[in-house]
Amino acid sequence: DSGVTQTPKHLITATGQRVTLRCSPRSGDLSVYWYQQSLDQGLQFLIQYYNGEERAKGNILERFSAQQFPDLHSELNLSSLELGDSALYFCASSVGILLTNEQFFGPGTRLTVL
Amino acid sequence: AQKITQTQPGMFVQEKEAVTLDCTYDTSDQSYGLFWYKQPSSGEMIFLIYQGSYDEQNATEGRYSLNFQKARKSANLVISASQLGDSAMYFCAMREGNTGNQFYFGTGTSLTVIP
Repeated sequence: DSGVTQTPKHLITATGQRVTLRCSPRSGDLSVYWYQQSLDQGLQFLIQYYNGEERAKGNILERFSAQQFPDLHSELNLSSLELGDSALYFCASSVGILLTNEQFFGPGTRLTVL
Repeated sequence: AQKITQTQPGMFVQEKEAVTLDCTYDTSDQSYGLFWYKQPSSGEMIFLIYQGSYDEQNATEGRYSLNFQKARKSANLVISASQLGDSAMYFCAMREGNTGNQFYFGTGTSLTVIP
């Protein structure tokens, strides 16, 4: 158990809908990362927050947004869902943003868009 | 250009043998960190080992070691005395000093340990 929690574990929804994925980082970790893992794209970095502020942005679609709250938990919002958004969404956390700060991953949320 | 390249989509190894999983990286930064993660079939990502660009010695963690060749920009993972539980996907990742934030992941290598 990495100490990172993600809810829900599984999510099944329809095209055009909107969902929210939630992540609680390990105690003491200030940085949160979101990744999308699909069969054809591998592990894609979406976005990173550090202590409530957006720090880095990767291949995140405009239909997706995220935020980190004062208690450091984070939410990833996915809207106007398409079939291609079906994937495993990981949240990871690290204590900081130093090179040596490894990320600890949550168990992931498996999103299925029908 | 790909930041992280893993050229072995699948590997097989006999139980108790050693195996090397290849990883090459591309960066112009002097400061960077290299990581290996394991993803079993259950899906979770497990941190294995870290190597810093300024570390002079190869990193080791139990049965895992990292063969770091800076001039060749390679950071191969060596698993000694393979066990059945080592069957999983293995991902190489890099974090660059200048950005200090984003992790770049390779496409992974699927390792199967044969009894």
